[in-house]
Amino acid sequence: AQSVTQPDIHITVSEGASLELRCNYSYGATPYLFWYVQSPGQGLQLLLKYFSGDTLVQGIKGFEAEFKRSQSSFNLRKPSVHWSDAAEYFCAVGPLTGTASKLTFGTGTRLQVTL
Amino acid sequence: GAGVSQTPSNKVTEKGKYVELRCDPISGHTALYWYRQSLGQGPEFLIYFQGTGAADDSGLPNDRFFAVRPEGSVSTLKIQRTERGDSAVYLCASSLHNSGGLNEQFFGPGTRLTVL
Repeated sequence: AQSVTQPDIHITVSEGASLELRCNYSYGATPYLFWYVQSPGQGLQLLLKYFSGDTLVQGIKGFEAEFKRSQSSFNLRKPSVHWSDAAEYFCAVGPLTGTASKLTFGTGTRLQVTL
Repeated sequence: GAGVSQTPSNKVTEKGKYVELRCDPISGHTALYWYRQSLGQGPEFLIYFQGTGAADDSGLPNDRFFAVRPEGSVSTLKIQRTERGDSAVYLCASSLHNSGGLNEQFFGPGTRLTVL
């Protein structure tokens, strides 16, 4: 069965500092990988996704993520965090085959940004 | 354009009662998903519809949970004999369905269900 591990429950960074959120997955084949962000009272918003090609993917709001097959990881990064980035971040996996299917999410990392 | 909408935004009920949660997907999206997010957890898959039929209901926790999508658009998640453990945020998502590649799921704001 597929699973996603986000080892950091809560991270605090200063505004302007760099950020890396960790994600490790367990899957029987090459999966689709996603990062979503959830702000209080808001729905989940897709930041970026990966399914093939360049292992460094760019997303919205200045985020990027790198797929490392050997480490089964898909870590999210941002060079300079803004106060508005404070939110909950979820890594998710989905099957590569098929056109629509369920996602498996990690437990999330809550990001706090100090001014 | 309009996103995925869910009603009500909050629902408080008593143990043992029946509740219905509604989801309006993005127009033209044929795939619709229900997830449940408990406090401090990530969303967990419940059921997925392709058109009117449930293509995968493997995430429904027990037979108290049921979902319908009679006309292939709006969906209703129904919970019978609610229990305190059903308290969670219920998320709905929709996506296009076409050949080739996983389509992005667009999520609604959720319905927060509290069972007293």
